Amino acid sequence: AQKITQTQPGMFVQEKEAVTLDCTYDTSDQSYGLFWYKQPSSGEMIFLIYQGSYDEQNATEGRYSLNFQKARKSANLVISASQLGDSAMYFCAMRGGSGTSYGKLTFGQGTILTVHP
Amino acid sequence: DGGITQSPKYLFRKEGQNVTLSCEQNLNHDAMYWYRQDPGQGLRLIYYSQIVNDFQKGDIAEGYSVSREKKESFPLTVTSAQKNPTAFYLCASTLSAMGPAEAFFGQGTRLTVV
Repeated sequence: AQKITQTQPGMFVQEKEAVTLDCTYDTSDQSYGLFWYKQPSSGEMIFLIYQGSYDEQNATEGRYSLNFQKARKSANLVISASQLGDSAMYFCAMRGGSGTSYGKLTFGQGTILTVHP
Repeated sequence: DGGITQSPKYLFRKEGQNVTLSCEQNLNHDAMYWYRQDPGQGLRLIYYSQIVNDFQKGDIAEGYSVSREKKESFPLTVTSAQKNPTAFYLCASTLSAMGPAEAFFGQGTRLTVV
């Protein structure tokens, strides 16, 4: 069975500072994908970044980077230079790549990020 | 424009009634997913389908049913067996069931049992 854990219900950060949102996962698959999504108060889901289990380099997309530590099964999201518009709920997700978890896309509980001016 | 359309946006149901939520995509995506989201909570997987005429149970499938007769359509039926159906329901699709294919989401259906 695959599981995603986000242990930070809420995080606060000052505008222009960096923030790290934690994500750990559990899977017996060798091949899997990790995703981060942003959900503003409007409810829409916005894709931020992807990391494959065989990718050796950490993924980066603009101000977003994924700190992938495979041995520790963690996939933390780092947002640099926070902006007021970054205030939202953030979800970590995993898609299984083999066996009974093939194609199964599972989300964590989410972290509410609040950016202060 | 390509995308995922969920309808209706708001739905009210009387206790004991079945109700079907619509999800249509014109992205030519193979995989489709249904999630339930309760206030302030994460997304819980109800059902998913990687190909037409095939689907798998997610983590909270009890009280729900789906069909995948066409590639572009993945309707979700909330049956009377679902004890607490009031929630926000999100449908998603991905180009394939593996690799970096990101999920595209619909705008959601908010179901309220009255």
